[in-house]
Amino acid sequence: KQEVTQIPAALSVPEGENLVLNCSFTDSAIYNLQWFRQDPGKGLTSLLLIQSSQREQTSGRLNASLDKSSGRSTLYIAASQPGDSATYLCAPLGRDGGATNKLIFGTGTLLAVQP
Amino acid sequence: DTGVSQDPRHKITKRGQNVTFRCDPISEHNRLYWYRQTLGQGPEFLTYFQNEAQLEKSRLLSDRFSAERPKGSFSTLEIQRTEQGDSAMYLCASSIRTSVDTQYFGPGTRLTVL
Repeated sequence: KQEVTQIPAALSVPEGENLVLNCSFTDSAIYNLQWFRQDPGKGLTSLLLIQSSQREQTSGRLNASLDKSSGRSTLYIAASQPGDSATYLCAPLGRDGGATNKLIFGTGTLLAVQP
Repeated sequence: DTGVSQDPRHKITKRGQNVTFRCDPISEHNRLYWYRQTLGQGPEFLTYFQNEAQLEKSRLLSDRFSAERPKGSFSTLEIQRTEQGDSAMYLCASSIRTSVDTQYFGPGTRLTVL
């Protein structure tokens, strides 16, 4: 059974700092890995998707890396802004013992960027 | 592309009542997923449709839960005889079968069972 762990559980930083969010997963048989952002009481917004054959993806101030063999992914946020405050969720896509692929989520990292 | 929509956004019901939620995926997306998220946790997979066929159901989906996707377009999730433990955010996502398979999520339906 796939287990996803995100460290740290919560993070508070001053505006402008660069930061790294960590994600580890136990089953390396994944199809891809998505990073999402979730604002309080809202749905999920897809930030980046890394296919299993890729090492990293970049979008603006965000960079995500994937080391499938070691079961690790990181999300790097450059020059953080108060608008980045949200919960960040990591989710590898895999069968997890079932018939089809599905996303398996960690519990997230709650980020607060102080102005 | 108007995104994934869900209705209602909020539902408050009394224990024992039946509720039904609707999800409209992004047009032409043939894959549709339901997830459930409780407070402080990440979403958990409930069920998956490819077109109109329900191909997988999680063990989380008890006999009181049923999902349909007639004609491979919108989907409904019904919970019968609701219990307080059913209180959660119910999220719908859709994707299209490509090599990338990005899932796009709707805003969710917040269910509160009193």
